Amino acid sequence: SQQGEEDPQALSIQEGENATMNCSYKTSINNLQWYRQNSGRGLVHLILIRSNEREKHSGRLRVTLDTSKKSSSLLITASRAADTASYFCATAPSNDYKLSFGAGTTVTVRA
Amino acid sequence: DAGVTQSPTHLIKTRGQQVTLRCSPKSGHDTVSWYQQALGQGPQFIFQYYEEEERQRGNFPDRFSGHQFPNYSSELNVNALLLGDSALYLCASSLAPGGLQETQYFGPGTRLLVL
Repeated sequence: SQQGEEDPQALSIQEGENATMNCSYKTSINNLQWYRQNSGRGLVHLILIRSNEREKHSGRLRVTLDTSKKSSSLLITASRAADTASYFCATAPSNDYKLSFGAGTTVTVRA
Repeated sequence: DAGVTQSPTHLIKTRGQQVTLRCSPKSGHDTVSWYQQALGQGPQFIFQYYEEEERQRGNFPDRFSGHQFPNYSSELNVNALLLGDSALYLCASSLAPGGLQETQYFGPGTRLLVL
């Protein structure tokens, strides 16, 4: 089974609105990463947050991490059509050597 | 700055055949990992190559094998193809000793269809 689970599975928003998606995981982690994938192409790394960090920003992206609840959220502000993509969280478990990806959240931004 | 490249982009094979996929890592990277992504799922780790050796392996059968060349490029070989091997195969590169838990730089993938 996958370590990380994204919620919701799909999200449809109007251009200019904010998009929020969540990731829950099961075991303790070293870090958590978010990736974007456009139309079944390669994944693009968005942001990495380490277990001792609570919040990180990168442009219009804001990621939070709550290790007590084993959850993370990704906020995209002022969404654009180009943000239409699938977003994956990937966890780096403390008891494993590799990243574990969730099934992703599909975001559609309507013009 | 050259990113990760993969070839071919698409491939159609029949059950029982063998396939070879190729990957060149991002400039300056020496570690290559391979992932399988089924439709509607996240990537699943197959294995990692560093210094021309397989360093880590996920839960994939021996039909999946690989190779890394002195220039750090890599190949993924799959023997005795099954219908369930149909997927997008992604190559990712990184800099050792960052390892598998640090940022992965992905290529565009090879879409394999097994009929």
